[in-house]
Amino acid sequence: EDKVVQSPLSLVVHEGDTVTLNCSYEVTNFRSLLWYKQEKKAPTFLFMLTSSGIEKKSGRLSSILDKKELFSILNITATQTGDSAVYLCAVEASGNQFYFGTGTSLTVIP
Amino acid sequence: DVKVTQSSRYLVKRTGEKVFLECVQDMDHENMFWYRQDPGLGLRLIYFSYDVKMKEKGDIPEGYSVSREKKERFSLILESASTNQTSMYLCASSLKWVRLNTEAFFGQGTRLTVV
Repeated sequence: EDKVVQSPLSLVVHEGDTVTLNCSYEVTNFRSLLWYKQEKKAPTFLFMLTSSGIEKKSGRLSSILDKKELFSILNITATQTGDSAVYLCAVEASGNQFYFGTGTSLTVIP
Repeated sequence: DVKVTQSSRYLVKRTGEKVFLECVQDMDHENMFWYRQDPGLGLRLIYFSYDVKMKEKGDIPEGYSVSREKKERFSLILESASTNQTSMYLCASSLKWVRLNTEAFFGQGTRLTVV
């Protein structure tokens, strides 16, 4: 059965810490992996990854995909309270199929 | 251990049918959401509810309605399904919004095909 698993389920860190969020998947006909940040109502798109080993960066956030080991990580350096959110991983497969993780809840304490 | 449950993983409906997508959460969350995910468009908010019998339109409410009669259940209704509503539908729930609130959970998604 196709699935996406995120870990940890929740995380509490102090401002300035670096965090790594994990997303592993078992999905047939993989096309891409997506990361979102859920704040309030609607998730904000962060990254789309399609190729192994190519790091994508946006400010303090970065992400990389390993298609051999079937996982992705999302790194956040020098965390701030504004990074507190739920981070959602999703995998797109062919045929417009999407599989979602349950999210990782990150709380950054001042 | 499942926290947000969507009633169906796959659905195939005919154009013009009335369709109900059900979402149930067991965490006593106040907020519940319905999104749709389409390639190249990301996750878009259809409707959300912040309490029983309360609802607000999201970014793309046209063609949809919702019902929240009980705190744990949030239903998405397609009054007359159309082919452009073929999509992946995702439900989520979260705690009432407070400072540093980060608890939210997502369902597994429902792939709806309208033929």
